Amino acid sequence: GESVGLHLPTLSVQEGDNSIINCAYSNSASDYFIWYKQESGKGPQFIIDIRSNMDKRQGQRVTVLLNKTVKHLSLQIAATQPGDSAVYFCAENISPGGSYIPTFGRGTSLIVHP
Amino acid sequence: DAGVTQSPTHLIKTRGQQVTLRCSPKSGHDTVSWYQQALGQGPQFIFQYYEEEERQRGNFPDRFSGHQFPNYSSELNVNALLLGDSALYLCASSLMGSSYNSPLHFGNGTRLTVT
Repeated sequence: GESVGLHLPTLSVQEGDNSIINCAYSNSASDYFIWYKQESGKGPQFIIDIRSNMDKRQGQRVTVLLNKTVKHLSLQIAATQPGDSAVYFCAENISPGGSYIPTFGRGTSLIVHP
Repeated sequence: DAGVTQSPTHLIKTRGQQVTLRCSPKSGHDTVSWYQQALGQGPQFIFQYYEEEERQRGNFPDRFSGHQFPNYSSELNVNALLLGDSALYLCASSLMGSSYNSPLHFGNGTRLTVT
């Protein structure tokens, strides 16, 4: 089965609220994690990544948290906007040594209500 | 700077036929990976090409084959199409051997419908 999964298939929030999308992974050897955003009719777009030697990384309006103890990853989006509506995927890297082949989970659909 | 481009954007084929999808990687990238994304699912890894060779392969049958050209562009071929092959086929490029993991850059995919 898949080693990466998401707790919530759909998340609905109000514009301006903060959003938190969660992800569980099972491969303890994974050392690199990535969040992708996929809008309708488009390919996944890189949002933010984090290495296993970190527990937090911040970008513009987004923060990724990594808890290796419980194999949990989360994506926090501050002040969510309608343009953030999309499917969000977490992915873990399964091939160290330069060959980057992320494994994707099922995805969470984020719906932002104006 | 052009990103990853894929062609065609949509394709309809009949069971048993063969199909070829094409991908041009982002400028500066040398590695191409192909993914299959069924409706409502995450992308599933098919294979990865680097230096014109298949380097890694996912759990897909031999009906799925590929090629990478000297200019780093790539093709995905699927023979003896089945209804279950209907999906969005995504191409992603990256740079092999970076000092850090290089996130994949995806194209917008080819939507294949098998009837």
